[in-house]
Amino acid sequence: DTAVSQTPKYLVTQMGNDKSIKCEQNLGHDTMYWYKQDSKKFLKIMFSYNNKELIINETVPNRFSPKSPDKAHLNLHINSLELGDSAVYFCASSQGTGASSGNTIYFGEGSWLTVV
Amino acid sequence: GENVEQHPSTLSVQEGDSAVIKCTYSDSASNYFPWYKQELGKRPQLIIDIRSNVGEKKDQRIAVTLNKTAKHFSLHITETQPEDSAVYFCAATATDSWGKLQFGAGTQVVVTP
Repeated sequence: DTAVSQTPKYLVTQMGNDKSIKCEQNLGHDTMYWYKQDSKKFLKIMFSYNNKELIINETVPNRFSPKSPDKAHLNLHINSLELGDSAVYFCASSQGTGASSGNTIYFGEGSWLTVV
Repeated sequence: GENVEQHPSTLSVQEGDSAVIKCTYSDSASNYFPWYKQELGKRPQLIIDIRSNVGEKKDQRIAVTLNKTAKHFSLHITETQPEDSAVYFCAATATDSWGKLQFGAGTQVVVTP
């Protein structure tokens, strides 16, 4: 009964390809996120959606396009993959929209993307 | 925007000793400070958090302290055990930031038996 699940867990692909990572949460949360963790372990937010609406878009190249068909799903599509896109991508979710409403963020298992 | 600095980047301790990790933040509007633990190859998991109306919070061997005036907060782990070995991240966010956590760079903690 995984709370935040994402697929695939591992993805190796060539430069220039297009790939997608899917994420689903069964916690009934309103807000979902994509975080990127680089090779130095630094965690940085990419996007945040609240009830299917884009809330945060952190200066991410427009090759990255999130899509939220409903509030339980947030997928990440990446066009024209580059070597620098190699990282671990974490999907996450939380109830509410800010610290005052209980901002515990639950992460998925991560998707290891390697671009060769 | 918020900037969170975390020190040290690596920390080696003997089993049974205490470990302290310190973070500073820049945005005075930040009012929620969680700590996450990430074991090798696993997801970050919340271990403790503190809100700005509280100066200290404890949960068994883990405690967090917050100094709003100085804009710094710390994680204290007492009686460390080998299973405490992991990367620990501090983070900060403000009420109206839509859950945008700004993470520190992480501290690799190694507990040696």
